[in-house]
Order: sequence, then structure tokens, then C-alpha cells
Amino acid sequence: EDQVTQSPEALRLQEGESSSLNCSYTVSGLRGLFWYRQDPGKGPEFLFTLYSAGEEKEKERLKATLTKKESFLHITAPKPEDSATYLCAVRPNDYKLSFGAGTTVTVRA
Amino acid sequence: DAGVIQSPRHEVTEMGQEVTLRCKPISGHDYLFWYRQTMMRGLELLIYFNNNVPIDDSGMPEDRFSAKMPNASFSTLKIQPSEPRDSAVYFCASSLPLAPLGEQFFGPGTRLTVL
Repeated sequence: EDQVTQSPEALRLQEGESSSLNCSYTVSGLRGLFWYRQDPGKGPEFLFTLYSAGEEKEKERLKATLTKKESFLHITAPKPEDSATYLCAVRPNDYKLSFGAGTTVTVRA
Repeated sequence: DAGVIQSPRHEVTEMGQEVTLRCKPISGHDYLFWYRQTMMRGLELLIYFNNNVPIDDSGMPEDRFSAKMPNASFSTLKIQPSEPRDSAVYFCASSLPLAPLGEQFFGPGTRLTVL
């Protein structure tokens, strides 16, 4: 069975304090690893898709990387507006996504 | 584009009542997904459609749940009868079949409370 584990569950950062979120996965065949951002009371918002080990994607202060067993979401010099829950999901072999429980990031000014 | 539209945004009902959640996907998107999110179980896929046809309903918890997509611009998720354990936020999402990034676009969700 596909498994997606995110750590830590919660992360409190000071503005400007860079950090990383982890997403480890066990899947029979990976056809994409996805990162979403979810703000309170809203639906998840797409950030990145990674397809193969070694791939990296960047968007503003966020950078996602992928290995054969895990993905990292690096937040560089975060701002309070980066506060959100970050969800990782894998797509094994069709259009279904299996989501992790998420990491809730709080950035204090 | 207005994005994925869901209604109602909030629903409070009593145990045993029928609940119908509605979704309008983004125009031109051939795939439609229904998810449920709870603190205990996170975000779970219930069912998804391709070109209005249900493809995989293995995530539907039990026979009390049913979903339909009568046309490309409308889908419903029905719970009959509802139970307190059905309380959750229900999301609808849609996507293009050959989207380069494979991303799904989520609606704002319907928060369901069953008393």
C-alpha cells in the first residue's frame, strides 16, 4: 500500500529563518510527487510536481527536491505570508493522489 | 476563470438526513475528484470521474455515499442517511487530462457537520 509520511507535523520559524520539510514515501511506481499549500478554510493550492530523482523546482522562497525515497521542501528566508500547511502527495500509476498528513508552518515576524 | 465552485460552503444537518454537495469543475477539465479531509485521516480521495464516467470509487466509505456527474459542468456527492462520523470538509477538484504538471485544482470545500 502506498504511504506518504511528512515531518515534522508542525514547524515554528522566525521570519528569515530557513528550514526544510520532509516527505518520505513508499509507492509501487511513482508517476509524480506533488507539493500543495493549504491556507486555513481553503482548498489545497498546487505548488510543484517532481517526476524523477534529482529533479528540483523553485518558486519564490520555496524549493522542492526529490530523491528515490523522499522529497524536501526548503523554505528560504520565510516571511509571515508563508505560514500555511504544506501537503505532499504521490501519484502511483493513474490520476489518484495519496496525500500525507501535512506540515503546518508558522512564521513569526 | 472562476475556478472550481462548490456549494454549499457550510452545511449543518441532523443524523439521518440526506445531504447533497455540489461541484462545478473548471471548464474544459475532463477529470473530477471528490476528497474528504478530517483531522484524523487527512485528505482522502473518495471517487474520481473522467469525461463524466466514474473511474475509481474505491475510496467511497460505504453505500450511504454516492456520486454522480450528469454532465461536464456538474457533479454531486450525496450522503443518505448521514451520520456524525461523516462530519468533515469535502473538496472537489478538477484537472486536465494531459496537464504537463498533473496538477489538480481544488475548490474551497464544503464543511459538513452532522449532529
